[in-house]
Amino acid sequence: DTAVSQTPKYLVTQMGNDKSIKCEQNLGHDTMYWYKQDSKKFLKIMFSYNNKELIINETVPNRFSPKSPDKAHLNLHINSLELGDSAVYFCASSQGNTGDTQYFGPGTRLTVL
Amino acid sequence: GNSVTQMEGPVTLSEEAFLTINCTYTATGYPSLFWYVQYPGEGLQLLLKATKADDKGSNKGFEATYRKETTSFHLEKGSVQVSDSAVYFCALSSGNTPLVFGKGTRLSVIA
Repeated sequence: DTAVSQTPKYLVTQMGNDKSIKCEQNLGHDTMYWYKQDSKKFLKIMFSYNNKELIINETVPNRFSPKSPDKAHLNLHINSLELGDSAVYFCASSQGNTGDTQYFGPGTRLTVL
Repeated sequence: GNSVTQMEGPVTLSEEAFLTINCTYTATGYPSLFWYVQYPGEGLQLLLKATKADDKGSNKGFEATYRKETTSFHLEKGSVQVSDSAVYFCALSSGNTPLVFGKGTRLSVIA
C-alpha cells in the first residue's frame, strides 16, 4: 500500500492557467507538508498543516493555496501559473510536527510552458 | 537560525569504494539529525537518524554519528554499490521547527 500518494505525477500546462495537485496519506499522521524542489535539487518547505490547521506558511506567493479537507489530505492549488513555478512538488507527512520522520510522496513534476 | 551545510557534489566513486559525505549544522537547543536519500525519479526517504549526541544511526551499511563537539553528522559507507547512486540530504529538526534540509549531494557509483 502506498503511504503517501500524489496525483498527477506529471503536469504540463501553459502560463496563466490554474492547476491543483492532490496528496493523500494513509499513515494516520497528524501533519502534512508541501515542498518545492528546484532543478538543482534544492528542497524548500512551502506549507505545513497539523490536524487540518496551517502551522507553517513560508514566503510563498499567494497564488499558492493549500487546502486540507481532512487530516489525510493536503491539496495544493496554484493560480496564474508562471514559468518559475516549474519544479517538482513533494508532499510529505509525519506523526508530529517536529523531529519526527517525514514520509514523502513520489513527487509531481510541474512544467509551465 | 537552524542551518545545515553539506559537501557539494557530485561525488563519483567506483564500486566498493569508501564513501564519506560531510554534513555540519548550526542549531539552537539539541537538534535531531537525519540523512534522507532520494533515488532517481522518487521522493525522499529516511536513511538514518540520531536524536542525541554520540548516537550512531545506521541502515543499509550507511552510518553517521552525532558529534556535538564538532556539530557534525557525516555519512559513511565502507563499500558502495551502483544501487547507492542517489542524492543524499542531511537534515535537522530542533525545538518547534520542522526539518531543515541541506542542499543535497549527488552520488554516482560506477561499476
